[in-house]
Order: sequence, then structure tokens, then C-alpha cells
Amino acid sequence: ETGVTQTPRHLVMGMTNKKSLKCEQHLGHNAMYWYKQSAKKPLELMFVYNFKEQTENNSVPSRFSPDCPNSSHLFLHLHTLQPEDSALYLCASSQDPGTSNEQFFGPGTRLTVL
Amino acid sequence: GEDVEQSLFLSVREGDSSVINCTYTDSSSTYLYWYKQEPGAGLQLLTYIFSNMDMKQDQRLTVLLNKKDKHLSLRIADTQTGDSAIYFCAESKAAGNKLTFGGGTRVLVKP
Repeated sequence: ETGVTQTPRHLVMGMTNKKSLKCEQHLGHNAMYWYKQSAKKPLELMFVYNFKEQTENNSVPSRFSPDCPNSSHLFLHLHTLQPEDSALYLCASSQDPGTSNEQFFGPGTRLTVL
Repeated sequence: GEDVEQSLFLSVREGDSSVINCTYTDSSSTYLYWYKQEPGAGLQLLTYIFSNMDMKQDQRLTVLLNKKDKHLSLRIADTQTGDSAIYFCAESKAAGNKLTFGGGTRVLVKP
């Protein structure tokens, strides 16, 4: 596989469930990102990881818990979500932080919270 | 504060030129980007421009930047049905790696 992949592509979960989203990049990049894309808001940056370290948390509720075990993998652990958390969750990666910031996006996970 | 704004919708006939406009408020923006999102897909970087440039051309795409007015535009020449998508404008600073996106412009190309 090439580029940025995300699994699952679609996820339906109840408010009491625990699930995880996975992102993998095959580009040798050092920075990875989680974004939330909902119908009525601009794309929102959630978390940034540079060289496996979290460098930005954009006031995201604690029911979203990111994890970056290495530069190629990024997870988003979900628990006790709310219906308003239903959205497209996009992962992205970029070569190095602090440069031109050309980000490459995955196809996203469409999350529905019932 | 940072704000990037775009019009919501653009309809264009196949073969015509499309122009998508974007305004931003942060004068320290250094890099300005155009991304394309097709249905069911993630965002694809189309092109970007440094703030010290006023124009960049890449095949059918022309980016114009008016730094004084903080206005960015994307012109697509000879628009094709495959150009139907949502186009996002984004900006970032010289340092750090946070992108601020506009709300996206949905472009519909009619045959």
C-alpha cells in the first residue's frame, strides 16, 4: 500500500462503546495529524504528532484519546462518544514539522454515533 | 484570530474556466494551499504558493495571490466533469505545522 491509509472506512457505534481508528502512512513522514470534518464546520485540527510526540491538542474532549506508537502509525481511541461526534475523521502526514507543511491525507473514517 | 473564508458553491459548464476565491485574515500566513476533496475521499493537495509569490501556474491550475487584500484564488482552465469536488483553501505560518482551512467550495461541473 502507498500513501496514507485509514481503517475502518466506516464505523457505527453506540455511546457506551469503545472503538479505535487506525491510520498508517507509508511515506516515511515524521508528522501525523487527526482532523475532524463535520457537515457544518470547517475542517478542524484535533491533534498533531511530531516524531511520535504530541505537539498539539486543539482542546479536544478527553473521550478522544490519540496514540502514536511510531512515526508510521497513529490511532484515535474513542469512548463514551456523543451523537455530535459523528463526522468524517481524517488522518494526514507530512515530511517534517515546520517546513512547507505539505500534508497528505487518508480517505477518512466515517463515524456515526447512535 | 485566524479565519479563512470561501464561498459555498460554484456551478460551471464543462469547458469553461472556474475561479474559486478565498480570503484570509492572518497577515503572517506564509504558505497558502488548495486542496481537492472528491466524494468519499480524503483531501488531495492540488498546489500551494508561498506568500512572496503572486502567481503560480501548474498545467490547468493558476493560483493568484493578492497579499495586500489577503485574497487567494484558484483558476481551473477547461473545467472537466472530473473537477467536480469540494475545494479547500488553507494557510499556515512559516514555523510550526498547523493548517487552518476554509469551509470549502463545492464545485459542480455541468455537461
